[in-house]
Amino acid sequence: EAQVTQNPRYLITVTGKKLTVTCSQNMNHEYMSWYRQDPGLGLRQIYYSMNVEVTDKGDVPEGYKVSRKEKRNFPLILESPSPNQTSLYFCASSRDRASNQPQHFGDGTRLSIL
Amino acid sequence: GQSLEQPSEVTAVEGAIVQINCTYQTSGFYGLSWYQQHDGGAPTFLSYNGLDGLEETGRFSSFLSRSDSYGYLLLQELQMKDSASYFCAPMDTGRRALTFGSGTRLQVQP
Repeated sequence: EAQVTQNPRYLITVTGKKLTVTCSQNMNHEYMSWYRQDPGLGLRQIYYSMNVEVTDKGDVPEGYKVSRKEKRNFPLILESPSPNQTSLYFCASSRDRASNQPQHFGDGTRLSIL
Repeated sequence: GQSLEQPSEVTAVEGAIVQINCTYQTSGFYGLSWYQQHDGGAPTFLSYNGLDGLEETGRFSSFLSRSDSYGYLLLQELQMKDSASYFCAPMDTGRRALTFGSGTRLQVQP
């Protein structure tokens, strides 16, 4: 089954404790992206990757890092999480950069930073 | 710069037709996508308009007018399961990133 898998689904942690949210897709997609969703603000892009070893900042990259060492995986790293990073996070992938290619979203990761 | 406007909430009854409008300002506009998100769920792709005009997919249709920087999603024969948030998402030519606004919350009533 074609899917984007995120882990963990839920996490409560404390300020400053490094964490990684994993994202894996099994569709051989080139394009992957991370979004955060906050009430009243919709979905905002954090980082994106056009292909392996190619990553770039989205609209709200501060406080986050990503890597794309393999095509299928695109982890989101919070080196020193802070309470303002409490949010619902979505990973998404699409076949390539073509605009008519739908983005497939993971089920989301709800992070609470205390 | 980027800006996006959609109504925040729309209410309609089962069986009716509803139109959700979207106006955007996107540098290097490339196309307009629509996504649906149920409460607690992930966004799912509904449709894409790269050219002016109407695209139809079952009960859903989407329209784009590039000259007016305007699009809409038309939902026909509304069902209770259509209660969800709907996002228009313009894409720019550079990042090929989707810009999602706050979305429109559709409530379908019996």
